[in-house]
Amino acid sequence: AQKITQTQPGMFVQEKEAVTLDCTYDTSDQSYGLFWYKQPSSGEMIFLIYQGSYDEQNATEGRYSLNFQKARKSANLVISASQLGDSAMYFCAMRDGGGADGLTFGKGTHLIIQP
Amino acid sequence: DADVTQTPRNRITKTGKRIMLECSQTKGHDRMYWYRQDPGLGLQLIYYSFDVKDINKGEISDGYSVSRQAQAKFSLSLESAIPNQTALYFCATSDGDGSTETQYFGPGTRLLVL
Repeated sequence: AQKITQTQPGMFVQEKEAVTLDCTYDTSDQSYGLFWYKQPSSGEMIFLIYQGSYDEQNATEGRYSLNFQKARKSANLVISASQLGDSAMYFCAMRDGGGADGLTFGKGTHLIIQP
Repeated sequence: DADVTQTPRNRITKTGKRIMLECSQTKGHDRMYWYRQDPGLGLQLIYYSFDVKDINKGEISDGYSVSRQAQAKFSLSLESAIPNQTALYFCATSDGDGSTETQYFGPGTRLLVL
């Protein structure tokens, strides 16, 4: 069964608008972590933000915030005031259980910011 | 200097050849990982290592082997490359000591198997 689902293969957004990228996950573990990574066209994977399953507040990092709804098993990434440089692939990922055995990634969302 | 480096950055090889991809890190992390990314897809775990003496298979380890030569070095080998191993390969590290287990990725190696 797919553990991470990203339902938006691609999105076009106007510059300066806010963007929400969807991510739902599936796990039976009580302890898990959720991550978002950005992959620009150059190919590197850039860590953006982390949310732990026991964290009571939504994570924020600058213009990035994570809308964590535990009961719905969703962990949507919100980018405020989008910029042209935000154009990239965005991947949601999860570690579950003990966490040491790697991350499970979704298939990604291709975000294009239009001027 | 980058914390996680991968060499080579690009490689073209022929079917049946043995190749090695190398990863080095200066972050002092114990845990290292190898992933592959196929076009249009997310990353899949090939192998991971908790320390020099601990190597574990990931979800797609067939056709690959690894070597953890030191805490800072983790190599991935394709014993006999085949075209469907054409992909972007990433090395990653994590400290394994904090609650987040955030993984930090190298720049990737683009491999083309003809």
